[in-house]
Amino acid sequence: NFMLTQPHSVSESPGKTVTISCTGSSGNIASNYVQWYQQRPGSAPTTVIYEDNQRPSGVPDRFSGSIDSSSNSASLTISELKTEDEADYYCQSYDSTNQRRVFGGGTQLTVL
Amino acid sequence: EVQLVESGGGLVQPGGSLRLSCAASEFTFSIYWMHWVRQAPGKGLEWVSRINSDGSSTIYADYVKGRFTISRDNAKNTLYLQMNSLRAEDTAVYYCARAAGNYYGSGSLYWGQGTLVTVSS
Repeated sequence: NFMLTQPHSVSESPGKTVTISCTGSSGNIASNYVQWYQQRPGSAPTTVIYEDNQRPSGVPDRFSGSIDSSSNSASLTISELKTEDEADYYCQSYDSTNQRRVFGGGTQLTVL
Repeated sequence: EVQLVESGGGLVQPGGSLRLSCAASEFTFSIYWMHWVRQAPGKGLEWVSRINSDGSSTIYADYVKGRFTISRDNAKNTLYLQMNSLRAEDTAVYYCARAAGNYYGSGSLYWGQGTLVTVSS
């Protein structure tokens, strides 16, 4: 089955830029859209990127998504980091072989 | 503003049943695919099930297939998850989510606040 792998944790300082990767286990990650969800402690997830690089209304343009077919990976980049960006981030895509959605294991972002 | 409000969670014994509801508002519920996603305590997000806009097509994760049933009532703007033969490992917060688009690879755009299901004797 198709799997998505994320780093367990990343950390960076306020004002800097951080990139979180999401690597597909097989196939071509560019074949299906990738989404990114933010989950702050004790809260429900919210969508920060959908369809690879689209931002929902209200999500600042400091958040961006991209796909790199050569490495079969997706990335979430957050620039001008703020302490409020500290959260868990999950990538999500689709397994065409069984029509099921797949989540990455999540990345804990620490801003300090 | 899109609203999704889950209800129906609670404590249930192993082998028991529970039905979750998700009341949708501020968007045309009947035209969107919907999902259930769960999160066990201290764990990551886990997809559970998807239903298309008119309820004619459903799909389940292997770990709930045959035990859970997703359904919807478009007249009541409500999504359901009937959970039978519950196990301890089904303990989680259950979220309903609206798809970004009506296609197989669509992700979620809007999420509810979740309802906690605890399976324990």
